[in-house]
Amino acid sequence: EVRLLESGGGLVQPGESLRLSCAASGFLFSNYAMNWVRQAPGKGLEWVSVISASGGSTYYADSVKGRFTMSRDNSKNTLSLQMTSLRAEDTAVYYCAKDRYSGGSFDAFDFWGQGTMVAVSS
Amino acid sequence: EIVMTQSPATLSVSPGERATLSCRASQIVKGNLAWYQQKPGQAPRLLIYGASTRAAGIPARFSGSGSGTEFTLTISSLQSEDFAVYYCQQYNNWPLFTFGPGTTVDIK
Repeated sequence: EVRLLESGGGLVQPGESLRLSCAASGFLFSNYAMNWVRQAPGKGLEWVSVISASGGSTYYADSVKGRFTMSRDNSKNTLSLQMTSLRAEDTAVYYCAKDRYSGGSFDAFDFWGQGTMVAVSS
Repeated sequence: EIVMTQSPATLSVSPGERATLSCRASQIVKGNLAWYQQKPGQAPRLLIYGASTRAAGIPARFSGSGSGTEFTLTISSLQSEDFAVYYCQQYNNWPLFTFGPGTTVDIK
């Protein structure tokens, strides 16, 4: 059974940093690209970032580029999102999500974690 | 950036009735379109990928169609557990994935 478990969320002040983690199990983690997707309270889904299966390539939404860094440790089946210079508009539930396809390109997201809440407020 | 739009914003349907949800992309995305279902307090769940292929474990009452820029999700006979928010997502323009704003399907 595929499981994704996010952690690390919390309340921070504007300008501060936070590191999110996602622990994966139930599939060959090193074969799949992984994503972070966020959802502000009462709003829709916003893709944040993706990392290739090997970890050699990362891509970010313009809204977080230069502030967020995504990484993975394939030996520990874990995913991370380092968030710096946080803003009020970063307040959201952050989900990690698994890419459906293991062939090298990117595809739909077939499994999602339950999310971790990040609140940025003074 | 490819912009996704969905209509209607809210769809009120009686149990047992058919629901038809629309999704439009601002540019051609070929068949690289997915649909997700999200219930309150839960993570999204993949329903359809490749515009028309049901994900594992998804009931046959869910079907997807379309290509290019116009897509449809049809729920043939709504069950109580189908009342939720539905999002479309393009992944043609990877790695810049974009979601639509969602359609809420509620009880009439």
